[in-house]
Amino acid sequence: KAGVTQTPRYLIKTRGQQVTLSCSPISGHRSVSWYQQTPGQGLQFLFEYFSETQRNKGNFPGRFSGRQFSNSRSEMNVSTLELGDSALYLCASSSKGWANVLTFGAGSRLTVL
Amino acid sequence: GESVGLHLPTLSVQEGDNSIINCAYSNSASDYFIWYKQESGKGPQFIIDIRSNMDKRQGQRVTVLLNKTVKHLSLQIAATQPGDSAVYFCAERGGDTDKLIFGTGTRLQVFP
Repeated sequence: KAGVTQTPRYLIKTRGQQVTLSCSPISGHRSVSWYQQTPGQGLQFLFEYFSETQRNKGNFPGRFSGRQFSNSRSEMNVSTLELGDSALYLCASSSKGWANVLTFGAGSRLTVL
Repeated sequence: GESVGLHLPTLSVQEGDNSIINCAYSNSASDYFIWYKQESGKGPQFIIDIRSNMDKRQGQRVTVLLNKTVKHLSLQIAATQPGDSAVYFCAERGGDTDKLIFGTGTRLQVFP
């Protein structure tokens, strides 16, 4: 079955703009989480959604937001972009349950100029 | 966000040798641990996991060891191959959540 699909794969924005990233989870997976990966800070948790509800949020400013739709697809939005937001944004999906496996997508690479 | 440091340690091994990648985790309440492999241009790929009620788990060519006393996790790769070259991350999780805390990562380089 198809894996986690993230779009767009690459994008370039300028400071002050906003961006929306999309994630389609594996069919049947109802949990979606987002991570930011940078060379300096590594992989950091952004948020987690299950059945359209945010279950957990990482330590990021309010400029970072997300949502999940009834078909489990998810979007994340970053407003008022800063240079430091340049990163690889990874989406992962799981079927939930203890010791379930998170499957990651290839990521959306955002460059802020 | 949680800081995972600036430096990416590198392990260089010869093809055919065994590799051992180490990780210190942070939360004694974590009950589930995972190793991921990330190749250039790709997202992290699941390798193997282990629950806190176990101290060893084996997969195909890979073994994960968990020492809860010192909060240490290791990944052993037998007969390392060029295709094993990648960055390896350990991750920990506590409870019924998809929030993972990732380690810094280790770059594994395999040379002929």
